[in-house]
This record gives sequence, structure tokens and C-alpha cells, in this order.
Amino acid sequence: SQQGEEDPQALSIQEGENATMNCSYKTSINNLQWYRQNSGRGLVHLILIRSNEREKHSGRLRVTLDTSKKSSSLLITASRAADTASYFCATLEKGGATNKLIFGTGTLLAVQP
Amino acid sequence: NAGVTQTPKFRVLKTGQSMTLLCAQDMNHEYMYWYRQDPGMGLRLIHYSVGEGTTAKGEVPDGYNVSRLKKQNFLLGLESAAPSQTSVYFCASSWVQGNFDQPQHFGDGTRLSIL
Repeated sequence: SQQGEEDPQALSIQEGENATMNCSYKTSINNLQWYRQNSGRGLVHLILIRSNEREKHSGRLRVTLDTSKKSSSLLITASRAADTASYFCATLEKGGATNKLIFGTGTLLAVQP
Repeated sequence: NAGVTQTPKFRVLKTGQSMTLLCAQDMNHEYMYWYRQDPGMGLRLIHYSVGEGTTAKGEVPDGYNVSRLKKQNFLLGLESAAPSQTSVYFCASSWVQGNFDQPQHFGDGTRLSIL
């Protein structure tokens, strides 16, 4: 399988705490994206980081990328109950001719009020 | 502006029956995709289309066919459903530019059970 892997598979924290989830992938990439999926819904794009970038911020989200280790992390600061969802990383393979993404297996985040 | 709409939302089929899942997008996107999501497996690409009249195989295409007769619609067909095709199916669409850094926009899925 080409799929990446995410760690941990599940994470439970209290409201206000920070949540960190990690993603490992297998090939050289053009970019890496993070998506959120609420229960029973489709995926929603959160943030994209290009292969020549090392860190990116968007509101309470911080993403890092280490291409030498083929890994990325997503940090959600000051978490809220509404952040409860599954989070997926997805990679675009370098040199690919289309916008095909390879998705990780996801991290299920539960934020307790 | 509805985004990506999938119909039906739920369906139960018997082994051997056929059906078509419909995906419609109103964002004028060139690219469209069909994924399946199974527990612990993340999303896996079934088929995709880079424009009207074109289709291509993804990671897990066996047992499925697709058509893109109109730019806004992407149909996924199961000719003879099997229990292994029980899954949640997601459609997505995206713009296309040279550096392929456009996000994909997803529908809310079709939950399909094959008995």
C-alpha cells in the first residue's frame, strides 16, 4: 500500500490543551495537506505545506514538514470541543502528472469539555 | 452554492445487484475523484477524471466503472455488487493548476452496504 501512516491512531485531551498528531509518508512529495473529517461528513481541507517549506501557520493550526524524515506534524493549540474529529494527512507525489493524493490512515481526536 | 453533492446518502444492496452513485459539483472544477473509506484504511482512490470525457484508474479500481459525460457530474457504477464493496464512498473535486497545490473539496459520502 502507498498509504502514509498517522500517529497516534487516537488521542483524547481536555479542552484548552494542545493536540499534536504526526504523519509519515513514503515517497518524495510536492506538497502535504491536512484534512479534517467530522463524524458522518466529508473531508474538509485545513492547510497545505509545500515541500520547500518547513513550517506553516493558520489560526490555531501549526504544521511542520521534515522531508529528510518524510514526516509532518499538525499542532492544534488551545483545543475546543468542536475540534473533535478525525484528521488525515495527504501527500501529492513529486513529479506526478495529476492532483492525485495519497491519504494517511487518520488520527481520531476527542476533545473533552 | 452547494459544492459537491452525492446521491444517494445511504443504500443497501444484495450481492449481484448493480447501482450507480452520482456526484455533482457546481464549482466548475476540472478534476473529480471517487474514493472509498474503510475502517483503519483511510481513503483509497478508486477512479478519477481530469476533465469531461476522460477517466483513469486509481489505486483500487476493480469492480467499479465511471463516466464523466458532463463536466459537473462524475458517476460511479457497481455492475455486480459484492460484500467487499461495503464501504463509505466519497466524491471530491478540485481546480487544476501547474503546481497542483489546490485542495480537494469533498461531498458528505454515500454509505453503501452489500448483503
